[in-house]
Amino acid sequence: GESVGLHLPTLSVQEGDNSIINCAYSNSASDYFIWYKQESGKGPQFIIDIRSNMDKRQGQRVTVLLNKTVKHLSLQIAATQPGDSAVYFCAENNAGNMLTFGGGTRLMVKP
Amino acid sequence: DAGITQSPRHKVTETGTPVTLRCHQTENHRYMYWYRQDPGHGLRLIHYSYGVKDTDKGEVSDGYSVSRSKTEDFLLTLESATSSQTSVYFCATPRLAGGTNEQFFGPGTRLTVL
Repeated sequence: GESVGLHLPTLSVQEGDNSIINCAYSNSASDYFIWYKQESGKGPQFIIDIRSNMDKRQGQRVTVLLNKTVKHLSLQIAATQPGDSAVYFCAENNAGNMLTFGGGTRLMVKP
Repeated sequence: DAGITQSPRHKVTETGTPVTLRCHQTENHRYMYWYRQDPGHGLRLIHYSYGVKDTDKGEVSDGYSVSRSKTEDFLLTLESATSSQTSVYFCATPRLAGGTNEQFFGPGTRLTVL
């Protein structure tokens, strides 16, 4: 069936460096994508989203890129900080207000 | 957490016992969702509701039932808990900002079935 997945289960970066977290999706009909951050013991928190009619969207220190040709989504975090350490999930919107989530990537920031 | 509370926050129970988890929202959202989260997996949808008394199955609905008798409460019931249902359970509601389906999540309930 259709699925959303991630390339890297764990990403370790040095504090101050940029981080890139990747996600592949297979449902070409998905029209909306979200990145969530989940800290230990908490529920997922919205970071940034992007519609399928866009290829880039920027937030505060975060950028999401969407490549529909290869069905690839990425989250870029600039100047990664220790507080960015968490698990990051991508999700795609299916019909009927349903989201399908990827397996998650753990980001570890080294001081 | 956008007005979403879950109770209990932690529960330990024994195999074969019934368990009910409660999700309460204060934003009058029509849609509510129950997910489970397991190590190595993302969030998987169990059941969802699109209105009072209107519910439907998600990806992993076997062994679970839900009820929505009023807008603010969405109950998830394990009729006879099994060890495979040990998990963290999250409730969510949509924000529907700008027509998108961004979902807000509750704090989660950690359930352990011995």
